Amino acid sequence: SQQGEEDPQALSIQEGENATMNCSYKTSINNLQWYRQNSGRGLVHLILIRSNEREKHSGRLRVTLDTSKKSSSLLITASRAADTASYFCAAPRGYQKVTFGIGTKLQVIP
Amino acid sequence: DVKVTQSSRYLVKRTGEKVFLECVQDMDHENMFWYRQDPGLGLRLIYFSYDVKMKEKGDIPEGYSVSREKKERFSLILESASTNQTSMYLCASSGTGISSYNSPLHFGNGTRLTVT
Repeated sequence: SQQGEEDPQALSIQEGENATMNCSYKTSINNLQWYRQNSGRGLVHLILIRSNEREKHSGRLRVTLDTSKKSSSLLITASRAADTASYFCAAPRGYQKVTFGIGTKLQVIP
Repeated sequence: DVKVTQSSRYLVKRTGEKVFLECVQDMDHENMFWYRQDPGLGLRLIYFSYDVKMKEKGDIPEGYSVSREKKERFSLILESASTNQTSMYLCASSGTGISSYNSPLHFGNGTRLTVT
């Protein structure tokens, strides 16, 4: 079964706006990871947040983690057309059994 | 930069054939993974390996087997390919050392397999 479930499944915004994607998971975790996938390509790691962290930043990305609610969010600020991609959250179940959700498909309109 | 290389970008096979998908990583990673990705279903874990000759079933291992004879190479085997195994297959690797469970995954570009 899948550990992460992203919401919404699709998101369309104008360039310059912020994009927020949410992820819920089921079991306790050591960390939660966010990935990006451009069409027809493999996934690229964006950011990893550990279970004892509440917030993490990387450039225009901001990730939060709420372990009490078993949820995480990814915020992309000042979005660009090049941010158009699918975004996935992932979390290990047990020892490195990393499972993914269905993903959020983000479209940024120039 | 970590490089994960999948041997084929596109592959067309016939029903009943034995199919080998190869994956090689160049960063001495301990963990390697095989996923399949289908529209509306996201990525599903088929098998993973945390060491040479060690393997663990993922969520959908039926119809697949794996081999890890060397640390850098992880092979996915479809014993008798069927049309419902038509999919995008993604290999990934991660982790060195005792904190490997806190390491991100590095993915190959995928193999799009069509079984006719």
